[in-house]
Amino acid sequence: DTAVSQTPKYLVTQMGNDKSIKCEQNLGHDTMYWYKQDSKKFLKIMFSYNNKELIINETVPNRFSPKSPDKAHLNLHINSLELGDSAVYFCASRGGGSKETQYFGPGTRLLVL
Amino acid sequence: AQSVTQPDIHITVSEGASLELRCNYSYGATPYLFWYVQSPGQGLQLLLKYFSGDTLVQGIKGFEAEFKRSQSSFNLRKPSVHWSDAAEYFCAVGAREYGNKLVFGAGTILRVKS
Repeated sequence: DTAVSQTPKYLVTQMGNDKSIKCEQNLGHDTMYWYKQDSKKFLKIMFSYNNKELIINETVPNRFSPKSPDKAHLNLHINSLELGDSAVYFCASRGGGSKETQYFGPGTRLLVL
Repeated sequence: AQSVTQPDIHITVSEGASLELRCNYSYGATPYLFWYVQSPGQGLQLLLKYFSGDTLVQGIKGFEAEFKRSQSSFNLRKPSVHWSDAAEYFCAVGAREYGNKLVFGAGTILRVKS
């Protein structure tokens, strides 16, 4: 019964390639997020969507494009991958109203060579 | 600007000893506060959270945390540490006024010696 799932778990690719990471939640939540954890384990918000609408975009390069086909999915597409994009990317979801807790997926470990 | 400070990068405690991990925040709104734990190569697991009310909150695995508004702190405690508690611990702050995005501290790595 995985609540927040991400695919793939590992992704190794060459500089300049385009790749996508998928996220799905089965919690019925309205809001989903992408966070990036760099090599020093520092976690930072990238994007947030609420009911398929972008509500947070934290000065992320426009090579990163989130897409939400429905409120249970938030995918992350990355164009022209750079070495500095190597990181762990976490998806999270949150219920509405007073249910402010964010639940995280297992992470996608991206390595750009 | 919102910020979260975890002043201890590493902490080592003996198994069975008590533990306190420090977290201070700077936030321009009424914060929600969280502690997450990350084992090596794993995702983030929620330990506990504070939204309002009783400032001492209980979490999973025997952890508790106390919100002190006057000190802008939300320290995590455990009376007796187990070897399986070795992991990295992240304090995080969110607020409705900022779209509920979480701002994380840099993390504290806990080592447990037997």
